[in-house]
Amino acid sequence: KAGVTQTPRYLIKTRGQQVTLSCSPISGHRSVSWYQQTPGQGLQFLFEYFSETQRNKGNFPGRFSGRQFSNSRSEMNVSTLELGDSALYLCASSLNRGFETQYFGPGTRLLVL
Amino acid sequence: QQQVKQSPQSLIVQKGGISIINCAYENTAFDYFPWYQQFPGKGPALLIAIRPDVSEKKEGRFTISFNKSAKQFSLHIMDSQPGDSATYFCAGYGATNKLIFGTGTLLAVQP
Repeated sequence: KAGVTQTPRYLIKTRGQQVTLSCSPISGHRSVSWYQQTPGQGLQFLFEYFSETQRNKGNFPGRFSGRQFSNSRSEMNVSTLELGDSALYLCASSLNRGFETQYFGPGTRLLVL
Repeated sequence: QQQVKQSPQSLIVQKGGISIINCAYENTAFDYFPWYQQFPGKGPALLIAIRPDVSEKKEGRFTISFNKSAKQFSLHIMDSQPGDSATYFCAGYGATNKLIFGTGTLLAVQP
C-alpha cells in the first residue's frame, strides 16, 4: 500500500505570496492532519480534516487554511506569506477520526524569501 | 497542560550501547503515547507506542517504559546501531485528536 504522498516536495516563495500544498493520504484513510515543523518550535499541529470538514485547529493565524476533498485528499493554503512561515509542512493520515496511529508523509519544505 | 517535555536534546552513544530518551507529560487526558523516528529529509515514522494501562512494551531492540503516577515515559534502544542515528520524538494523544510532540532528541550512534 502506498504511503502518504505530498506535493510539491520543495517550494521557494517570496513574502506576501500565497502557497498551496497537497496531501494524498494512505488509501482507505479518511482523516488527514497537518503539522508544521521548525527548528525553533518543533512539531506543531495545524489542523485536522475528516469527512471534508475541519474538525480541529491549532494555534495558527487565519492565514493558514485547508480543505479536504471527497476522496480524502487534502490541501493546505498559506496566504500572505511571512519569513517565519519557512518550515517543513507535514501531512499525516489515519484510518478514521479518533484513530491515534498517524502516518506521516515526507513533507513539503517551504522557504519564504 | 498540553506540553510534552523531552530530554535530552541530543545524545551520543557508542555502538552496542543503550540509548535512553525521557519524556514527561502534563495532560492526564492523553491515552496514547507514540514514539516517532525521523531521518533527515524524511517525515516522522511511527516506531513504537504504548497506552497508559501498560507499564512496558518491547518491540525488538526498542522498549517503552511508562510510569503513569509520575506522568513519565521513556524510550530505550538496546544494542544501538549507527543506523539508529536519527531524531526521536515522543508524543501524547488524547481526546483532542491531535498529537502533541516533545521537542525531539538528536541521537548519534558512533561506530
